Amino acid sequence: DGGITQSPKYLFRKEGQNVTLSCEQNLNHDAMYWYRQDPGQGLRLIYYSQIVNDFQKGDIAEGYSVSREKKESFPLTVTSAQKNPTAFYLCAVSGPSKRNTEAFFGQGTRLTVV
Amino acid sequence: EDKVVQSPLSLVVHEGDTVTLNCSYEVTNFRSLLWYKQEKKAPTFLFMLTSSGIEKKSGRLSSILDKKELFSILNITATQTGDSAVYLCAAMTIQGAQKLVFGQGTRLTINP
Repeated sequence: DGGITQSPKYLFRKEGQNVTLSCEQNLNHDAMYWYRQDPGQGLRLIYYSQIVNDFQKGDIAEGYSVSREKKESFPLTVTSAQKNPTAFYLCAVSGPSKRNTEAFFGQGTRLTVV
Repeated sequence: EDKVVQSPLSLVVHEGDTVTLNCSYEVTNFRSLLWYKQEKKAPTFLFMLTSSGIEKKSGRLSSILDKKELFSILNITATQTGDSAVYLCAAMTIQGAQKLVFGQGTRLTINP
């Protein structure tokens, strides 16, 4: 089954805990992105990465961290420094920068702080 | 700072009406403008626009880009209840890395 896999679908976290959200792709695409979506709002960019071992902060990177050790994987860690982490998190990938391609999304992870 | 603004934020119409959704952008190193439909979870791709004045069409949906005015519209004719969704507009930029910046979305509700 090809595409983008985000796991888990639902995640509950106690205050003060770090959690890691997984995003794996088998599309062999270069660029990967993490977005946060709050109810009734659009997608806000957290981090993005074009190549392995390189990533850039988006508009709301504070309280989050990422790694890009493999082309296929771009995990997002929500740290205890993120004061309001309850949200829907979406991972996306897009093709080579030399070609104009659309971005494809995973099914998302809904994180709830309890 | 790269910015994408959509309007209206919310729209309620009757089945059969025609709607126009707006998207303006202000980004550096613009590459393309993308439209997505989001019903439950993952947004699904609708259109990608790279050139001004060329309308893209898919059934009852169409979209056009104006790179001079930094603006795009998404039209839906003869709306159906299944068109109810959040419509997202995004600008793809490239400065070393590709970056995809989204607007706030327009929540469209079609009443029977």
